[in-house]
Amino acid sequence: GENVEQHPSTLSVQEGDSAVIKCTYSDSASNYFPWYKQELGKRPQLIIDIRSNVGEKKDQRIAVTLNKTAKHFSLHITETQPEDSAVYFCAANFADMRFGAGTRLTVKP
Amino acid sequence: NAGVTQTPKFRVLKTGQSMTLLCAQDMNHEYMYWYRQDPGMGLRLIHYSVGEGTTAKGEVPDGYNVSRLKKQNFLLGLESAAPSQTSVYFCASSFDRGQDEQFFGPGTRLTVL
Repeated sequence: GENVEQHPSTLSVQEGDSAVIKCTYSDSASNYFPWYKQELGKRPQLIIDIRSNVGEKKDQRIAVTLNKTAKHFSLHITETQPEDSAVYFCAANFADMRFGAGTRLTVKP
Repeated sequence: NAGVTQTPKFRVLKTGQSMTLLCAQDMNHEYMYWYRQDPGMGLRLIHYSVGEGTTAKGEVPDGYNVSRLKKQNFLLGLESAAPSQTSVYFCASSFDRGQDEQFFGPGTRLTVL
């Protein structure tokens, strides 16, 4: 069926380290892959997205890579800061948008 | 420019009671969505709408109904609430379906006793 798997479910890093979250998807027809950040008690907000015609996209300290052959994509956060602590969701478009289960990132000062 | 708003923010129901959640957006988006968020399960699509007067089922539609009488509003109804419907409900809207950023409302925390 249509699904998105996300790993790890929790991730703890020291401030300044890098964090990587990985997602795999099941439908090779998917062509849009957004990442959302959700702070505690707040709404999810888009932080970066990538379309299938590119392999990598960067925005300051965050980047996303896409491997369409392997059907996986990853979020990379460099020089992590305490304010990066949140739950991160990946998603992929099937008939509808399907979200991963989320990764709780904790950045320790 | 309020974006996406939801009412109420919190609600407690008894099993069997009914309620309606209201979502409103001022971005003139055609597409609107209702999700539920449960611990460890991400966001799951309940129903969505591709325009005024049209609705469709998502991944987990059972026990819910929706209506979109006006382009800016999307209502989610629970006719007979069950404890399994205890969740946080998010409304979202987008310009394009499946190809564009979804803008989320602040969420409604619903508890069914």
